[in-house]
Amino acid sequence: QVTLKESGPVLVKPTETLTLTCTFSGFSLNDLRMGVSWIRQPPGKALEWLAHIFSNGERSYSTSLKSRLTISGDTSKSQVVFAMANMDPVDTATYYCARGGVTEEMTTIFDFWGQGTLVTVSS
Amino acid sequence: SYELTQPPSVSVSPGQTASIACSGDKLRNENVCWFQQRPGQSPVLVIYQNHWRPSGVPERFSGSKSGNTATLTISETQTLDEADYYCQAWDSSTVLFGGGTKLTVL
Repeated sequence: QVTLKESGPVLVKPTETLTLTCTFSGFSLNDLRMGVSWIRQPPGKALEWLAHIFSNGERSYSTSLKSRLTISGDTSKSQVVFAMANMDPVDTATYYCARGGVTEEMTTIFDFWGQGTLVTVSS
Repeated sequence: SYELTQPPSVSVSPGQTASIACSGDKLRNENVCWFQQRPGQSPVLVIYQNHWRPSGVPERFSGSKSGNTATLTISETQTLDEADYYCQAWDSSTVLFGGGTKLTVL
């Protein structure tokens, strides 16, 4: 059974760095067919992809936010840590982690999602 | 604006067929996924690689792609299908989401 759960602060101040942890079970990042993404959704708005870590350790970031983002994986703890620097009120959103499973056609699909965690940026 | 364009809203009567389009130049060479998101819930994958259904997704959900446009079709629409739907594709090593379509069943 695959599960993912996000954890971290619910409130951060402007200019602070947000750090979130995705703890997962039912798969391993040692599996070459696996990866994990972070995706956010401001209240009432659309999904926005942020970052992905592949099983081989390669990382990919949103072009528009790349300078602020860091993603890392800890296979021993089955965790993926995400950080976003210099937070602003516009970054208020629900942050999701999702498993990226690789299909036979070598496409990564987000087949399992966490419940999401709402992060509010306010002084 | 979004590189994947979806209509903001679609309305359908119960029992009828709903179609939601997603267009973008990237779709010519990339596979498309579709997600359903009910209010207050996490997105759920309903279509991957343009037309494949994950296990557990009703056969009423189908997908297709032609050129730069992908389409999610929901046949015999039920009230429980009322939700936001998002298309998604990879652009090289980054991910694109459409702006989402609110499906209203009334």
